[in-house]
Amino acid sequence: KQEVTQIPAALSVPEGENLVLNCSFTDSAIYNLQWFRQDPGKGLTSLLLIQSSQREQTSGRLNASLDKSSGRSTLYIAASQPGDSATYLCAVNPFGNTDKLIFGTGTRLQVFP
Amino acid sequence: GAGVSQTPSNKVTEKGKYVELRCDPISGHTALYWYRQSLGQGPEFLIYFQGTGAADDSGLPNDRFFAVRPEGSVSTLKIQRTERGDSAVYLCASSSTSDTGELFFGEGSRLTVL
Repeated sequence: KQEVTQIPAALSVPEGENLVLNCSFTDSAIYNLQWFRQDPGKGLTSLLLIQSSQREQTSGRLNASLDKSSGRSTLYIAASQPGDSATYLCAVNPFGNTDKLIFGTGTRLQVFP
Repeated sequence: GAGVSQTPSNKVTEKGKYVELRCDPISGHTALYWYRQSLGQGPEFLIYFQGTGAADDSGLPNDRFFAVRPEGSVSTLKIQRTERGDSAVYLCASSSTSDTGELFFGEGSRLTVL
């Protein structure tokens, strides 16, 4: 059974720091992996989608990598800003069940000025 | 519409009552998903529609939960005889293809069962 774990559960950093959020999954047979952002009381906003054949994706200050064989993904946020404060969720799309995402419990990030 | 729209945004009900939650997906998206998110947890899959039919309802917790999408656009999640444990945020998402590319989520319907 596929399980997704995110560490740390919470992170508080000063503005300007580069930071790394970690996501691990137990079954390497995945179709893709997606990183989402969730603001308090809001829905999920898709940040980056990495297909199983890809190693990384970049969007602005965000870079997500995927190492499928070791069951890991990282989300790198460069030059963090207070506006980056939110919960970051990773989700895997299991191979053969392409309609479902399995989510981690998220990393709650706070960036203070 | 421009994004996935969900109504109501908040619903408070009493134990044992019937509840309907509505989702209006992005125009043209054929795939629609319902997820449930409990406090401090990631979303959990409930049901997936491709067009009008439920392609996968394996995530529905029991037969009190039912969802429909009669015209292949708007979907309604129906919960009968609500229980306190049903309290959660119910998220709807849509995508343009059945083999998932990017999912677009609505802001959710927060259900509180007293």
